[in-house]
Amino acid sequence: AQSVTQLGSHVSVSEGALVLLRCNYSSSVPPYLFWYVQYPNQGLQLLLKYTTGATLVKGINGFEAEFKKSETSFHLTKPSAHMSDAAEYFCAVSEDNQGGKLIFGQGTELSVKP
Amino acid sequence: DSGVTQTPKHLITATGQRVTLRCSPRSGDLSVYWYQQSLDQGLQFLIQYYNGEERAKGNILERFSAQQFPDLHSELNLSSLELGDSALYFCASSVAKNNLRRYNEQFFGPGTRLTVL
Repeated sequence: AQSVTQLGSHVSVSEGALVLLRCNYSSSVPPYLFWYVQYPNQGLQLLLKYTTGATLVKGINGFEAEFKKSETSFHLTKPSAHMSDAAEYFCAVSEDNQGGKLIFGQGTELSVKP
Repeated sequence: DSGVTQTPKHLITATGQRVTLRCSPRSGDLSVYWYQQSLDQGLQFLIQYYNGEERAKGNILERFSAQQFPDLHSELNLSSLELGDSALYFCASSVAKNNLRRYNEQFFGPGTRLTVL
């Protein structure tokens, strides 16, 4: 069965500092992996996705993530945090290449201090 | 704006009642997914419909049901409501065509916040 674990329910960084949000997954088949962002009182927006090919994936707003099969990880990074990055971030996995159900992690709330 | 619309935005009701949440997918999207977001359970997949037919089921209670109509909009019906059903309910849509190895991104609506008192 698929599952996703996000390490750290809250992460706080200073503006300009590196952002690192951790995600580990379990899947019985090659997974599709995603990071979504949720701003307060809004829906989920796709930041980036890994389906096939290059394991370093670039997304919107300067975020990127690297798929590491040996570590079953898909950590999200951004070199320099902005105040506008404060939000909740969800890692998700899907095993259905037809766009099937998403299994989400518990989420990580990112705070950015001035 | 994802192009997915959900109504109502907020719903306050009492235990034991029944409510209907509505979702209109993006133009051209055939697949609709329902998810529940609650403090204790997080984000959970409930059910998926593709072109009017149920395609996948997740942790959906028997008190809950859904359907997708010929115009592709979907409704999620929640009955015999309990306090624990208070949550944010999201709808997402995708094209879901049978393209080999092509992931069809899910676009999420803004959600309906249900409060059961």
